[in-house]
Amino acid sequence: DAGVTQSPTHLIKTRGQQVTLRCSPKSGHDTVSWYQQALGQGPQFIFQYYEEEERQRGNFPDRFSGHQFPNYSSELNVNALWLGDSALYLCASSFRSRAYEQYFGPGTRLTVT
Amino acid sequence: AQSVTQLDSQVPVFEEAPVELRCNYSSSVSVYLFWYVQYPNQGLQLLLKYLSGSTLVKGINGFEAEFNKSQTSFHLRKPSVHISDTAEYFCAVTSNDYKLSFGAGTTVTVRA
Repeated sequence: DAGVTQSPTHLIKTRGQQVTLRCSPKSGHDTVSWYQQALGQGPQFIFQYYEEEERQRGNFPDRFSGHQFPNYSSELNVNALWLGDSALYLCASSFRSRAYEQYFGPGTRLTVT
Repeated sequence: AQSVTQLDSQVPVFEEAPVELRCNYSSSVSVYLFWYVQYPNQGLQLLLKYLSGSTLVKGINGFEAEFNKSQTSFHLRKPSVHISDTAEYFCAVTSNDYKLSFGAGTTVTVRA
């Protein structure tokens, strides 16, 4: 049973560029959440997708956007990258009926220079 | 909104000794509580969860936690740690909005 997978593993971008991160949920899961984990801190909730729509959003600017596809996979897009966007981006999946119980992928390490 | 405070940023402990990681939360509604572990350069692994029922919950790798509603705490314990338990531990809380709020983490370093 495949767990949550994310790609790429690492990414280096320049300030002002745009980036897309990808996530495939655990088999059977239909809900995907994204979190940002800055170095030395706990993860911060970005947003959650279910039925291809954004259902919940954390305190992140509109530069952060996402998408969920019919097969439940998801993308996180960040425009106009800042140095402060450097972080580990974690994807978590769950059943909608148990959306509080989230299983995390290995993350994508984004470095903005 | 919910919030979590992990009272210890670093916990050094000797191998085979017990360990306790402290977590307090604040919320005006009923909550679900979780402990996750993060090994270096990896994602988060669910250790255990409290959803309802018995206040003592058991998880993987010999960990357990006790939910105390009156003290709004959810402390994690293990009676005997191994070198492989060296990792970062996160306490998290959510309610019906399903947005996990995490603490800042506790670094556990197990020494021989």
